[in-house]
Amino acid sequence: GESVGLHLPTLSVQEGDNSIINCAYSNSASDYFIWYKQESGKGPQFIIDIRSNMDKRQGQRVTVLLNKTVKHLSLQIAATQPGDSAVYFCAEKLGGNKLTFGTGTQLKVEL
Amino acid sequence: DAEITQSPRHKITETGRQVTLACHQTWNHNNMFWYRQDLGHGLRLIHYSYGVQDTNKGEVSDGYSVSRSNTEDLPLTLESAASSQTSVYFCASSEATNTEAFFGQGTRLTVV
Repeated sequence: GESVGLHLPTLSVQEGDNSIINCAYSNSASDYFIWYKQESGKGPQFIIDIRSNMDKRQGQRVTVLLNKTVKHLSLQIAATQPGDSAVYFCAEKLGGNKLTFGTGTQLKVEL
Repeated sequence: DAEITQSPRHKITETGRQVTLACHQTWNHNNMFWYRQDLGHGLRLIHYSYGVQDTNKGEVSDGYSVSRSNTEDLPLTLESAASSQTSVYFCASSEATNTEAFFGQGTRLTVV
């Protein structure tokens, strides 16, 4: 069936480096995508979203890129900090208002 | 500040018992969702609602039910708890189409 997946289950980066977390989605008709951050023991927290009519969106230290040709979504975190350590999920929306989530990528920031 | 709260935060119950998890949001959002989170599966949708008296099944709805009698609350009921329903449960709400969903802090349910 349709699914959202992530290429890397764990990503380790040095503090201050840039992080890139990737996500592949399988449904070309999905029209909205979100990145969430989840810290241990907490609920997912919204980071940034992008609609399918865009290919790039920037926030504070984060950028989301959408490549509809290859159905690929990425989250870039600039100057990664220890507080960025968490699990990151991408999610896609296909019709209605419900989101389908990937399995997550663990980001570890090394000092 | 508006928020979404879940209760209880932790619960242990016995197989076969009926359990209800509460979810309350103060944003006046029409859309509410229940997910379960298990290792290796990410977040999977159990049930969702687009407004009062509206409920819909998600991908893993068997053994669960919800009701929406007002805008603020979407309680999740496990009719007869099973060990396979041991999980962390998250409630979420969103305002409209193509807007982010806000999540509660989660309920860790253990069925023994």
